Amino acid sequence: ILNVEQSPQSLHVQEGDSTNFTCSFPSSNFYALHWYRWETAKSPEALFVMTLNGDEKKKGRISATLNTKEGYSYLYIKGSQPEDSATYLCAFDSNYQLIWGAGTKLIIKP
Amino acid sequence: EAQVTQNPRYLITVTGKKLTVTCSQNMNHEYMSWYRQDPGLGLRQIYYSMNVEVTDKGDVPEGYKVSRKEKRNFPLILESPSPNQTSLYFCASSLMTGGQYEQYFGPGTRLTVT
Repeated sequence: ILNVEQSPQSLHVQEGDSTNFTCSFPSSNFYALHWYRWETAKSPEALFVMTLNGDEKKKGRISATLNTKEGYSYLYIKGSQPEDSATYLCAFDSNYQLIWGAGTKLIIKP
Repeated sequence: EAQVTQNPRYLITVTGKKLTVTCSQNMNHEYMSWYRQDPGLGLRQIYYSMNVEVTDKGDVPEGYKVSRKEKRNFPLILESPSPNQTSLYFCASSLMTGGQYEQYFGPGTRLTVT
């Protein structure tokens, strides 16, 4: 059974601070690793899709890295803002299916 | 506007009363999928479809049916809903499967079965 773990489960961060969280996934049958941002009362939206070991992607203050050999990805947020409050989901793509982590809920304190 | 639509957005029903949740995308995507989301758990895939007339079970298919007669539509059918199917349901689509293609999600359907 393929399993995707995200840690921590939730995180409170002071506005302006930087933070990061982890997604662990199987290191075999890898096609891609997806990161999504899910705001309350909305639907998940894609942040990054990463396919190559060593990939680093960036979108504004958010960036992600990928290590397929050891099976982990980090998501970094620099200088957190209140609008960053959301649940961040990662998903392991094994070609036909996405296996999802339970998410990291990020709360930014003003 | 490129989008995935779902209807209804909210539904309260009783045990055993057949229901259908519709899903439609206007992006000519090949791959479509249904998920359910329950508190404390990640999104769990119910069924997916790689193209017209091609569907397959995901991780939690029991109690659900799907069909893909047209590329744009992928309805989810609950023949005899039960309270354990109370959940938040998302339909999603992507251009293709096999890595690199992000998924686009519908707005979600919150289903309560009493």
